[in-house]
Amino acid sequence: GAVVSQHPSRVICKSGTSVKIECRSLDFQATTMFWYRQFPKQSLMLMATSNEGSKATYEQGVEKDKFLINHASLTLSTLTVTSAHPEDSSFYICSARDSGISNQPQHFGDGTRLSIL
Amino acid sequence: QQPVQSPQAVILREGEDAVINCSSSKALYSVHWYRQKHGEAPVFLMILLKGGEQKGHDKISASFNEKKQQSSLYLTASQLSYSGTYFCGTAHTGTASKLTFGTGTRLQVTL
Repeated sequence: GAVVSQHPSRVICKSGTSVKIECRSLDFQATTMFWYRQFPKQSLMLMATSNEGSKATYEQGVEKDKFLINHASLTLSTLTVTSAHPEDSSFYICSARDSGISNQPQHFGDGTRLSIL
Repeated sequence: QQPVQSPQAVILREGEDAVINCSSSKALYSVHWYRQKHGEAPVFLMILLKGGEQKGHDKISASFNEKKQQSSLYLTASQLSYSGTYFCGTAHTGTASKLTFGTGTRLQVTL
């Protein structure tokens, strides 16, 4: 089955640090990947759609200068949380869909638990 | 706007059945169902593409009523492994690749 790898799985760092999270599709190509944030006991909230070779599309209320997204290849998207603060602490999850096949589900990475002290 | 799921939470005994509903305020292109266990990523269950379509595998099935903008997930003869939070993800015409996830339903199966 389709596999999406996300790294790191957990980050604990000081306020003001920038944190980079990688999302890779291991056995398929993904022109589009998605980044979600999930707070405890809440649903997944879409932050942005990552588009290979072009700018990401951000959801309303998500600061694009705060959450930098780069999708440089068909198998890799990165999310950088710049100058992170305690309120950025959350569970960040990426997903990807096989570009070559229509009507395919999104497959999720294992998520990154970010804790800002 | 986020799809609304009902019930918010349900506790079942092993072997009992459950129905989880997902209702959208916008016209639907497709509905995706996922199960998420605590601290883990969501796992794909099934996707429904057409109005009135019904799908299933093993003891989990789902229906999609395009006209009512609703989908339901049916869990029969529940097992302990069914415990988790269930989310529907809805895709809409024009933004078919993007999913908006529902409010979630917490399911606990006990002995």
